[in-house]
Amino acid sequence: DIQLTQSPSSLSASVGDRVTITCRASQSIESYLNWYQQRPGKAPNLLIYAATRLHSGVPSRFSGTGSGTDFTLTILALQPEDFATYYCQQSYSSPLYTFGQGTRLEIK
Amino acid sequence: EVQLVQSGAEVKKPGESLKISCKGSGYTFTTYWIGWVRQMPGKGPEWMGMIYPGDSDTRYSPSLQGQVTMSVDKSISTAYLQWSSLKASDTAMYYCARHQLGAAGDYWGQGTLVTVSS
Repeated sequence: DIQLTQSPSSLSASVGDRVTITCRASQSIESYLNWYQQRPGKAPNLLIYAATRLHSGVPSRFSGTGSGTDFTLTILALQPEDFATYYCQQSYSSPLYTFGQGTRLEIK
Repeated sequence: EVQLVQSGAEVKKPGESLKISCKGSGYTFTTYWIGWVRQMPGKGPEWMGMIYPGDSDTRYSPSLQGQVTMSVDKSISTAYLQWSSLKASDTAMYYCARHQLGAAGDYWGQGTLVTVSS
């Protein structure tokens, strides 16, 4: 199974800050890496797919980079609605599209 | 508008059976996979497997093989997840998500909370 390790597991930041979350895969997954935002009590919401592509309707302050085993999600100029939990997911190895353990982004 | 609408919350006893549903609309149901995701209380999402409504090709996570059954009724654009004998450890929120093979889940259902307790 492909393992995804996110860091940090939690993060405190202020409105207007820039934050970066990393996701490392246990083997190459090419660009089959997706990022989701999840607010409490809600379904995951797709932000970035194929490592770098912004999903329709997602604000441009979200961006993704990486390929192979190392990936990052960057949020420029944090907004109040961005405080949530973020998950990476690999869609390289069917049928087990594993998720990372999550990064909880909290208000400082 | 693409929508996935899931059935309502369930409270069951250990050993009981259950079938929950996910109805797609606003797109051609038979041309996208439906994935099922489990999220246990306070934990991250876990991919359970997926089914292709076009031909019912079904792929399960190895750890869940035999524990659940995925099915589809394409005549009513609905996918199902079922258990024959629930355990307390099946207590979780279950989501369905639309995706292409190798791609992200771009639309998700609202979730079905399953509680298994004696």
